[in-house]
Amino acid sequence: NAGVTQTPKFQVLKTGQSMTLQCAQDMNHNSMYWYRQDPGMGLRLIYYSASEGTTDKGEVPNGYNVSRLNKREFSLRLESAAPSQTSVYFCASSSGRSSYEQYFGPGTRLTVT
Amino acid sequence: AQSVAQPEDQVNVAEGNPLTVKCTYSVSGNPYLFWYVQYPNRGLQFLLKYITGDNLVKGSYGFEAEFNKSQTSFHLKKPSALVSDSALYFCAVRDPDSGGYQKVTFGIGTKLQVIP
Repeated sequence: NAGVTQTPKFQVLKTGQSMTLQCAQDMNHNSMYWYRQDPGMGLRLIYYSASEGTTDKGEVPNGYNVSRLNKREFSLRLESAAPSQTSVYFCASSSGRSSYEQYFGPGTRLTVT
Repeated sequence: AQSVAQPEDQVNVAEGNPLTVKCTYSVSGNPYLFWYVQYPNRGLQFLLKYITGDNLVKGSYGFEAEFNKSQTSFHLKKPSALVSDSALYFCAVRDPDSGGYQKVTFGIGTKLQVIP
């Protein structure tokens, strides 16, 4: 039982390049989330998917897109990376029913130069 | 709008002493409250939650937290700190009465340093 997995662990992009961050969970959770973590700002929600087939914007969605490929997988895409997107990105999941706690992946450290 | 405050950037405590990490919240309804821990270069890990019932909730690794509705607080506590407890701790709140998507708001984190 791997929990929440994310790839890659590290990535360096040049401004304007694109990339997709992958996330998968094996806990049969309904809801999945993408956060970014920046020093002094805690976690900020980028996008979420309350259930398979639905996605919605969070607090800071600009510059990002997401795909809920199936119940297990939720990817985050940066179409044209900017230095302001340098951050640590976390994927999380929750059952969405009686248990509301979230389970987090190990994170992707992204640097945009 | 809901919010969470963790008033201390860092808490230092000697090994073996009790520790407290403070959290206060603001929601319009009855809150769901959570504590998470983050070790260096790792994702957040769920510690404990308050949904309803007893105000004192127990969680992983000997941690507990007390829900105080009148003070809108949910402080994290442990009777005897270990060096291995040194990490970043996040408080989070969810408002189940907010309707629609029930967003979880995280605090900015408190760094706990346990001194040997």
